[in-house]
Amino acid sequence: GENVEQHPSTLSVQEGDSAVIKCTYSDSASNYFPWYKQELGKRPQLIIDIRSNVGEKKDQRIAVTLNKTAKHFSLHITETQPEDSAVYFCAASRGYQKVTFGTGTKLQVIP
Amino acid sequence: DAGVIQSPRHEVTEMGQEVTLRCKPISGHNSLFWYRQTMMRGLELLIYFNNNVPIDDSGMPEDRFSAKMPNASFSTLKIQPSEPRDSAVYFCASSPTGAANEKLFFGSGTQLSVL
Repeated sequence: GENVEQHPSTLSVQEGDSAVIKCTYSDSASNYFPWYKQELGKRPQLIIDIRSNVGEKKDQRIAVTLNKTAKHFSLHITETQPEDSAVYFCAASRGYQKVTFGTGTKLQVIP
Repeated sequence: DAGVIQSPRHEVTEMGQEVTLRCKPISGHNSLFWYRQTMMRGLELLIYFNNNVPIDDSGMPEDRFSAKMPNASFSTLKIQPSEPRDSAVYFCASSPTGAANEKLFFGSGTQLSVL
């Protein structure tokens, strides 16, 4: 089955700096890569996703890049703000409904 | 729409007791998922249903766990007997058509503590 590894497990940045979270996946057939944000005590919510026919996608301060050859994808958050503090999960799926999540990155933005 | 509704929000029980978690997916959604979240293992898919039929239960840890979806608007996850290592947050999620690569809508989760 699919295996998704995520790094780092924790990340602290100063407000205004950028944050990068990296994930690798094992199944070359995976073709959909969503990112979920989970605030403390809340439910995970989708913030951005990318499909395998695209190398990069951007939504305001958030961007995701995908390298299918290397089987890795990354989340980039620019101009971080305190409200970006949360746990971020990457995930991968292939052609059917089963989504495999990474173990999460706890991001702390220091004011 | 109220979103995916889970109950109870918190459950504290003693080892050996039966635990039943409940989920109401978003009306009209055809796929339903049960996830377990722990610090050590993150979000693990336990089972998912499409049109009320279990499609993949390979993530169910052992026979103590069972899940049902008797109709399109209700699902249960049962643990019998419960053990301390079952302590975790259990999330239910649904998606619209059951097609591949869809956004998951999560419920608020059930925090389960087995003493």
